[in-house]
Amino acid sequence: GAVVSQHPSWVICKSGTSVKIECRSLDFQATTMFWYRQFPKQSLMLMATSNEGSKATYEQGVEKDKFLINHASLTLSTLTVTSAHPEDSSFYICSALALTGQGVSTDTQYFGPGTRLTVL
Amino acid sequence: EDQVTQSPEALRLQEGESSSLNCSYTVSGLRGLFWYRQDPGKGPEFLFTLYSAGEEKEKERLKATLTKKESFLHITAPKPEDSATYLCAVHDSWGKLQFGAGTQVVVTP
Repeated sequence: GAVVSQHPSWVICKSGTSVKIECRSLDFQATTMFWYRQFPKQSLMLMATSNEGSKATYEQGVEKDKFLINHASLTLSTLTVTSAHPEDSSFYICSALALTGQGVSTDTQYFGPGTRLTVL
Repeated sequence: EDQVTQSPEALRLQEGESSSLNCSYTVSGLRGLFWYRQDPGKGPEFLFTLYSAGEEKEKERLKATLTKKESFLHITAPKPEDSATYLCAVHDSWGKLQFGAGTQVVVTP
C-alpha cells in the first residue's frame, strides 16, 4: 500500500514552454501533497504544500506564478512549470499524506518516483 | 532553530561489514523521525518512523533506533543491494519534513 505515481518520469522541453507534472496517490486518498525539488548530490528542497480544493502554500523564494500547483482531487495534484528555462532543469518529486482510516500511516509522507525535467 | 545533521556523508562497506549511520537532530517537540532510502534517479522510499526515545524498528538488515538527540540506522551484514543514499528527516515546528543531507552508502561485493 501507499503508492504514489508521477507522470511523466522524464521530460525534455524547449525554453519558454510550459510543462505539467502529475502526482497521483494510487491506493489511498491524500489530505495534503507536497512538491520538492532536488539538485544533484543535494537533499530535497520543499517547494510547496497543497491541500485539495485550496490554494497551495509556497516556500520562501519559490515563485508561485512560475510553479503553478493545482490539487483538484484527493488523489491528484499537478505542478506546472510555466515558461521553463534551463535553470528550471531539475528532479521534481511529490509526496502525499494519507487521510485517516485507510490503513496507511497519516504521519508519513509517501514519495513518488520523481520527474526529471530538462529544459533546452 | 530546527536542524538535522547526518554523518558520515559517505560510507563504503564490504559486503557483510556491519556499520551504523547517525542522524542528530534539534527540534522543539519531536513529532516523528523518519528514515528513507533513495536510489539514484528515484524518489525516497519510506523505511521507518520513530516517535519516542528508546524506540527501535527493524526491517531485514536495517534497524533504526532513537534517543532524545539522535537516531542510528544500523546496517547488519550489508549486501550490494543495500547501496543507496539514506535520508533522515524530522517534522519541524511547522509540521514540514526537514531532511538531513543524507549518507551515501556503497556496499562492494
